[in-house]
Amino acid sequence: KQEVTQIPAALSVPEGENLVLNCSFTDSAIYNLQWFRQDPGKGLTSLLLIQSSQREQTSGRLNASLDKSSGRSTLYIAASQPGDSATYLCAVRLIRNGQNFVFGPGTRLSVLP
Amino acid sequence: NAGVTQTPKFRILKIGQSMTLQCTQDMNHNYMYWYRQDPGMGLKLIYYSVGAGITDKGEVPNGYNVSRSTTEDFPLRLELAAPSQTSVYFCASSYSDRGPHEQYFGPGTRLTVT
Repeated sequence: KQEVTQIPAALSVPEGENLVLNCSFTDSAIYNLQWFRQDPGKGLTSLLLIQSSQREQTSGRLNASLDKSSGRSTLYIAASQPGDSATYLCAVRLIRNGQNFVFGPGTRLSVLP
Repeated sequence: NAGVTQTPKFRILKIGQSMTLQCTQDMNHNYMYWYRQDPGMGLKLIYYSVGAGITDKGEVPNGYNVSRSTTEDFPLRLELAAPSQTSVYFCASSYSDRGPHEQYFGPGTRLTVT
């Protein structure tokens, strides 16, 4: 059974720091991996989607990498800002059941001014 | 486009009551999903649909039912509500069978069963 974990569970950094969020999954048979942002009391907003054949995707200050063989993805946030404070979740889409996405529990990020 | 919309935003139910959570998307997506999110946990898939008239169970379907009579709407029905169904419910949609299936989420419905 696919399991997705995210470390750390919570992270607090001063404004301006570069930071890395980690996502690990146990089964490498995935179509893709998606990173989301969730603000308190809100829905999920898609940040980046990496196909299984890709190594990384970039959007603005965000860069996501994927190492399928080791079951890892990282989300790199450059020059963090207080507005980046949110919970970040990763989700993998399974090959075994292509309609099924398995989510990690999230990393709660606080960027202090 | 409004994207994915959900109603209501909040609801309190008594044990044994029933209700329907509404979900509508205007992006002509063929895939739709219902998830629940419990505190400190990831989202768990309740039901999904790959097109009008087709639904299937996800990881945690017990106590729920769905229907998909149109492409746009995917209501989730709770019968005989139980405290274990207290959660935040998210509806999502995505497009295509061969594409990346990037998911778009609604704002959620916060449900409390007492």
